[in-house]
Amino acid sequence: GAGVSQSPSNKVTEKGKDVELRCDPISGHTALYWYRQSLGQGLEFLIYFQGNSAPDKSGLPSDRFSAERTGGSVSTLTIQRTQQEDSAVYLCASSFGLEGANIQYFGAGTRLSVL
Amino acid sequence: QKEVEQNSGPLSVPEGAIASLNCTYSDRGSQSFFWYRQYSGKSPELIMFIYSNGDKEDGRFTAQLNKASQYVSLLIRDSQPSDSATYLCAVSDSNYQLIWGAGTKLIIKP
Repeated sequence: GAGVSQSPSNKVTEKGKDVELRCDPISGHTALYWYRQSLGQGLEFLIYFQGNSAPDKSGLPSDRFSAERTGGSVSTLTIQRTQQEDSAVYLCASSFGLEGANIQYFGAGTRLSVL
Repeated sequence: QKEVEQNSGPLSVPEGAIASLNCTYSDRGSQSFFWYRQYSGKSPELIMFIYSNGDKEDGRFTAQLNKASQYVSLLIRDSQPSDSATYLCAVSDSNYQLIWGAGTKLIIKP
């Protein structure tokens, strides 16, 4: 597609349920990033995939969070046993991940509400 | 700990005036610098990027980079109400990840 696509755009779930958020990056971009943004706050880095390298998971807040990227393209962020503090907008971005070409382009985000 | 610092604001500027947004960073090895704009309820979108010391102009926007002093700024000339948004400064690290500032909220008053 022309841009980064995220689905669903909104997700309402009950505390304790698992959720999956999907990101389809811009074609040709090898780097993919997940961020979380709580209301009125800045971007919180979660995880970074670059090509076939091991992902940088240093931003994942707990072991309830995991992400995978299949075939170097689509990525899924999974949150297990959701808690109310997980409520936020989850943003995905992609880039070429190269010096001089690492502009990140963002998807529209998934707004997660945990009741 | 690599850090990017911005004044959270809000910064209030009269319509037609120049808005000046500033950002400092801690990693002297950073090579790429970015300004993103984020409207309320929307995703960040790239405004400008700069790699070399000095000024880079694009329409009403000018990015200024001073690596010796480790700061980067964004000037918006002839500010319009539509410029009201949060402006995020981001700095690239050696792994091509971006270190993000918390953003400055800009309000342009008609």
